[in-house]
Amino acid sequence: KAGVTQTPRYLIKTRGQQVTLSCSPISGHRSVSWYQQTPGQGLQFLFEYFSETQRNKGNFPGRFSGRQFSNSRSEMNVSTLELGDSALYLCASKSGTGSEKLFFGSGTQLSVL
Amino acid sequence: QKEVEQNSGPLSVPEGAIASLNCTYSDRVSQSFFWYRQYSGKSPELIMSIYSNGDKEDGRFTAQLNKASQYVSLLIRDSQPSDSATYLCAVSNTNAGKSTFGDGTTLTVKP
Repeated sequence: KAGVTQTPRYLIKTRGQQVTLSCSPISGHRSVSWYQQTPGQGLQFLFEYFSETQRNKGNFPGRFSGRQFSNSRSEMNVSTLELGDSALYLCASKSGTGSEKLFFGSGTQLSVL
Repeated sequence: QKEVEQNSGPLSVPEGAIASLNCTYSDRVSQSFFWYRQYSGKSPELIMSIYSNGDKEDGRFTAQLNKASQYVSLLIRDSQPSDSATYLCAVSNTNAGKSTFGDGTTLTVKP
């Protein structure tokens, strides 16, 4: 079974720009969660999508948004980038049927200059 | 108070020793407890899950859960240099549908 695929692996953007990250979950998994990881704040939950619907949301500003497609692939968008958005963005797949076990992708390292 | 707290570390043990990693959580309705291992520059990888009080063993790893004390631990027996990584404790409430992570404890196993 293929794992979780995240693209791109690295991104460099400037302040004010927007960015879209992509995640393909493990085949058969219907839930995709997004996390932000920084040295100072650790792993912070952004949101979770299940069957194309946002099921849970963390405490992030509205500049952070996401969506999920019918094939369970998910995208995360950050608009009006700020320096503080520099982080590793991790996508995690779970089956969505009650198990909270997370299977992480390799992440997208975003640098905002 | 953070929702999930781990011993701050870093933790250094000699090869062959037992490494003990601790975690406390604040949400009493938490139902699922996980340990993830994250190597430098890599993403977290699930190594243990535990759902009921007591011990759960998997090879050299033992997870311990005490819901009354809101405490989870991970023991690594016969530690190897390849165990050197950051260990993340995660706590989940199925109703909330998310896992909350501790800040992690960095373990170094010295040959």
